[in-house]
Amino acid sequence: KNQVEQSPQSLIILEGKNCTLQCNYTVSPFSNLRWYKQDTGRGPVSLTIMTFSENTKSNGRYTATLDADTKQSSLHITASQLSDSASYICVVSDRGSTLGRLYFGRGTQLTVWP
Amino acid sequence: EADIYQTPRYLVIGTGKKITLECSQTMGHDKMYWYQQDPGMELHLIHYSYGVNSTEKGDLSSESTVSRIRTEHFPLTLESARPSHTSQYLCASSELGGEGQPHTDTQYFGPGTRLTVL
Repeated sequence: KNQVEQSPQSLIILEGKNCTLQCNYTVSPFSNLRWYKQDTGRGPVSLTIMTFSENTKSNGRYTATLDADTKQSSLHITASQLSDSASYICVVSDRGSTLGRLYFGRGTQLTVWP
Repeated sequence: EADIYQTPRYLVIGTGKKITLECSQTMGHDKMYWYQQDPGMELHLIHYSYGVNSTEKGDLSSESTVSRIRTEHFPLTLESARPSHTSQYLCASSELGGEGQPHTDTQYFGPGTRLTVL
């Protein structure tokens, strides 16, 4: 069964600290993996996208890694800011169908305290 | 910032009412989607469309219906709302990419409609 599991479910950190969010998936065949940021009451916004051949991708203070062999990804946030408080969703795409279906994790709820 | 819009942002309505959630995008994307999301849970695909006059049901069974008469517009309708329909509904769009173009199918999401049925 194709699944995307994220950990931790929630995380609280102090402003300025770093953190790492985890994503494990069983989706096959694998096409790409995205990390989205979803602010409360808003739609998700894409942060990074990685294909099979990429093992790291950065977007400002966000750095995503991908290990396609172990089917694991992480999102590292450096020098956190209050505006980083949001849900971070891992999304894996397959190419097993014409649609290129997306599998969503439940997200990690990050709270940054001053 | 993606040019995809949803109205209304919030809707509180009584049981049995007919509602239409609007979604429009100005990016010229062929593919459009409707997702349902409950608090703390993953997004579930309920409808999608490849283009004008194309509509398909998603993974999660839904009593709602959709239409795609124009490329930019993808409304979702509930003929008779029930409390079980209370949820957040997210609309998204993407380009119609093909094989070898994985970066072209990034989905751009609207802000969502928070529906509460009393």
